[in-house]
Parts: sequence; C-alpha cells; structure tokens
Amino acid sequence: QEQLVESGGGVVQPGGSLRLSCAASGFPFSSYAMHWVRQSPGKGLEWVAVISVDGSNTNDAESVKGRLTISRDDSRSTLYLQMNSLRTEDTAVYYCARAAVGGVTGAYYGMDVWGQGTTVTVSS
Amino acid sequence: DIQMTQSPSTLSASVGDRVTITCRASQSISLWLAWYQQKPGKAPKLLINKTSRLQTGVPSRFSGSGSGTEFTLTISSLQPDDFATYYCQQYNSFSWTFGQGTMVEIK
Repeated sequence: QEQLVESGGGVVQPGGSLRLSCAASGFPFSSYAMHWVRQSPGKGLEWVAVISVDGSNTNDAESVKGRLTISRDDSRSTLYLQMNSLRTEDTAVYYCARAAVGGVTGAYYGMDVWGQGTTVTVSS
Repeated sequence: DIQMTQSPSTLSASVGDRVTITCRASQSISLWLAWYQQKPGKAPKLLINKTSRLQTGVPSRFSGSGSGTEFTLTISSLQPDDFATYYCQQYNSFSWTFGQGTMVEIK
C-alpha cells in the first residue's frame, strides 16, 4: 500500500544540523509533489516546505527560510529535509506528506498520504 | 503570507449533534481549502479537498462549503469516532498555511 516512512530525527544542540529522510513506497513517487509539515509539542500543524514533481520548484515557510532545505531523489523514492542552524523552536514532530493529486497542480489539493512522523528535539 | 483563522478553538458537543467549524482566510483563496482530522499521537487525515470534495472513504456526514475567504466544515451527526482536532489548510501561490485547529470534545 501507499506508505511514507520518515527517519533521521534525534536530539541536537542549538546551531546544529540534521537531515531527515522520507522513504516512499506503493506509488509512483516521481509523479507527486511532496511536503514537510511539523507539529511542535502540544501545538498545531505548521507547513514547512514543498517540492514540485520534478524538483525544479521549492518553497518554504518564512520561519525556516535559509535554514531548512527540501530535496528529493526520485531514483531512490526518497524525500529529504536538510536542517541547519537549528533553533529550540524547531523542536517538533516532522511529517512528510504527499500531494493529494499527482502532476504539476496536484499539490493544490492538500496532502493525502502522511508518514508516522520523526521527532526532532533541539536542546542544549 | 495568508493567515487562516479557525473558530471556535474548542467545541463541546454530544453524539448526534450537528457541528460546524469555520475557517477564515486573510485574503481570497478561491476554493483552495482542505480539511484534516487529527487524533492524539497520529498523523493528520485528509477529509476534504478543494473546499467540498470528500476524500474516498470519508463518511458522508462530513461536508465542506465556502469560497473566497470564508469556509465551513460540517459534521451532520457527530459520531464517537469524530472526537478529534480539525484543521483547515489553504493553498495560494505555492505556499500553504494551516489554521490553528478546532478541538471537538465530548460534552
């Protein structure tokens, strides 16, 4: 079945780096835009970043600009989030999510397949 | 950036009640509004996309409406499985924003 599995979370000191991975299976990964979404403890959902079907177009939230970078490797069916200059406020569960519809405009329709999440804790 | 404001933040209701959650956008987003349900410790679940399109497998008691800046999610007859937190999410100019969430709790 369609599945996303995140990995790479952990505890890191402020200013440190982590790279999250999201392995996709059960669907044609290269045909879908992909997102990262995070949720701080006890808080709501925050959209983090998106990457288009062919990886040519990305965007991210103002709160992470210049620090978190989304990328994809379609040959490995894997989505990545490179996290640099981490701050305590980046502490959250990070989810990868698939656009609900395939193709160039599919990302407009929301996110229909989600991973189980990976926890990032930024603390000294 | 477009801001999304949900109301109420918390809603107390009983099984069988009709429940309505409102989401307002800080500027027009046409019909690009989705609704999610999230239960504690779980990933969100997409219920509705493009304002009113029910995802496959979502019960028909869920419905969505609206356009422009004001949108609603309605649960026609609340069921025990529906007690959860609900989020709206907008799309505009290759950027997405979630509302702050509405917790639906047992009265």
